[in-house]
Amino acid sequence: NAGVTQTPKFRILKIGQSMTLQCAQDMNHNYMYWYRQDPGMGLKLIYYSVGAGITDKGEVPNGYNVSRSTTEDFPLRLELAAPSQTSVYFCASSYSARENTEAFFGQGTRLTVV
Amino acid sequence: QQQVKQSPQSLIVQKGGISIINCAYENTAFDYFPWYQQFPGKGPALLIAIRPDVSEKKEGRFTISFNKSAKQFSLHIMDSQPGDSATYFCAANTGGFKTIFGAGTRLFVKA
Repeated sequence: NAGVTQTPKFRILKIGQSMTLQCAQDMNHNYMYWYRQDPGMGLKLIYYSVGAGITDKGEVPNGYNVSRSTTEDFPLRLELAAPSQTSVYFCASSYSARENTEAFFGQGTRLTVV
Repeated sequence: QQQVKQSPQSLIVQKGGISIINCAYENTAFDYFPWYQQFPGKGPALLIAIRPDVSEKKEGRFTISFNKSAKQFSLHIMDSQPGDSATYFCAANTGGFKTIFGAGTRLFVKA
């Protein structure tokens, strides 16, 4: 049982480049989330999804896009990368919204934009 | 009003000592308060959680104390061990999709 798997673990992007952070979960969870974690800060919610085909914005969605074509996968797209997007990105999933704080997190993707 | 303020930013405790991390909130709509533990290179993992109708919850060496009138809650780690060295996040949730996290406390337990 792999849980939540994120790829890649590390990435360096140049300003203006684009990339997709991959996230997959094998727990059949309906709810999935993307967070970013900046040094000395808590996690900020970027986007979330309540099921295949349904996504919505979190606290800090600007500069990102998501899609949810299957229950298992929830990729995060960065268009026109900027230095402000240098961060550690975490994908998470949960069984329901009421227990969304009991989320299972992936190991994170450390992204540097130079 | 949506913030959760966490202190201290970092904490050094001797092995066997008590680690105490404090959090405060303003939004009275919050009704679920979890604590997450994060080891370096790993994602956060739920450690313990409490609802405001309970003043204290204990799981092993970890205890949450909750003061609803003061809008404060804290994590106590008894008999702290080097293996407890990690970053701890408090959080608050209203039952919806948006969990508000504190800034985190980096705990180091000296052997």
